[in-house]
Amino acid sequence: NAGVTQTPKFQVLKTGQSMTLQCAQDMNHEYMSWYRQDPGMGLRLIHYSVGAGITDQGEVPNGYNVSRSTTEDFPLRLLSAAPSQTSVYFCASSYRDGDEQYFGPGTRLTVT
Amino acid sequence: GDSVTQMEGPVTLSEEAFLTINCTYTATGYPSLFWYVQYPGEGLQLLLKATKADDKGSNKGFEATYRKETTSFHLEKGSVQVSDSAVYFCALSRGYQKVTFGIGTKLQVIP
Repeated sequence: NAGVTQTPKFQVLKTGQSMTLQCAQDMNHEYMSWYRQDPGMGLRLIHYSVGAGITDQGEVPNGYNVSRSTTEDFPLRLLSAAPSQTSVYFCASSYRDGDEQYFGPGTRLTVT
Repeated sequence: GDSVTQMEGPVTLSEEAFLTINCTYTATGYPSLFWYVQYPGEGLQLLLKATKADDKGSNKGFEATYRKETTSFHLEKGSVQVSDSAVYFCALSRGYQKVTFGIGTKLQVIP
């Protein structure tokens, strides 16, 4: 089992560019989430999904889109990057709602 | 809304010292409580959890007890090692992916 994988590990964007952060899991988990981690703020939920075809907004969804066409994949799209989106992004999955989450290794994004 | 409070640190201890990292929470109902650990350059991984009042979670010498009366879930370890140096996150979940994390406490253990 690879667990939760994320690509790329590092990315630098210019303001206004768009990109997609990839996330995949091979544990057949229904629940998947995207978080951003910023100093002094812990992790904040961006978007989440409770199954293929079902997504919803978290605490900080503005500027991000998601879709879930398969159980395995949950990509995060930045529509028009802004310096405020400089952060470390983590994807996570869980087998049951409210249960422990399995995290990917993260993507460090810098927007200049 | 839900909240989790923990000190940011860093907490610096000598090897074999006793560790306590305090965590208190505010939430309605009966959330599940978690401690996650993040080693440098890695994602978070579950350290221990408790799903109901008075449950004790334990793993790798770490322990935490779910105290409903004081809304706390303090993390303890009797003798820390250099390899325990990491950032520790307290978190609560009330289901439907409503997970709230604390800001994380950085632990540094010196030989």
